[in-house]
Amino acid sequence: EVQLVESGGGLVQPGRSLKLSCAASGFTFSNYYMAWVRQAPKKGLEWVATISTSGSRTYYPDSVKGRFTISRDNAKSSLYLQMNSLKSEDTATYYCARPDWFAYWGQGTLVTVSS
Amino acid sequence: DIQMTQSPSSMSASLGDRVTITCQASQDIGNNLIWFQQKPGKSPRPMIYYATNLANGVPSRFSGSRSGSDYSLTISSLESEDMADYHCLQYKQYPNTFGAGTKLELK
Repeated sequence: EVQLVESGGGLVQPGRSLKLSCAASGFTFSNYYMAWVRQAPKKGLEWVATISTSGSRTYYPDSVKGRFTISRDNAKSSLYLQMNSLKSEDTATYYCARPDWFAYWGQGTLVTVSS
Repeated sequence: DIQMTQSPSSMSASLGDRVTITCQASQDIGNNLIWFQQKPGKSPRPMIYYATNLANGVPSRFSGSRSGSDYSLTISSLESEDMADYHCLQYKQYPNTFGAGTKLELK
């Protein structure tokens, strides 16, 4: 059974950093692209980042480019999202997802950016 | 960037109604579109992939269609368990973009 479990969310002040993790199991992690998607409270979904199988290619929307970094450790079947220079508008639930059909999602981890 | 214009933003319908939600793509995305259902406090669940294909385990009352740049999700006969938010996603190119979502409520 495919499982994606996010961790690392919490309350952080504007301008600070936070790193999210996603532990994957139930599939061969190194064979799949991985992604982060977020959802602000009572808002729609927003794609945040995608990383290739080896980690050599990464993709971001303009809203987070230069501030967020997606990475992976295939030996640990883990996905990461380093978030720097956080803004109040980054407040959201962050989901880890497998972007082949987006069939598999984690349960999400809440990040709140507030002073 | 490809814009996905989703409508309506919310709607109320009665049990047994036929319901249609639409996403319009600002550029050609082929059939590279997924429809998701999301219930409160839950992760999104894919319902339709590649614009018209039913995902595993999804009831046959759900269907997807395409007419040019307009993509539709139809529920043929609404059931109470269908009350949820629905989102479309284009994955033709980066940045992947979602529609703004549709909140489906019971009338």
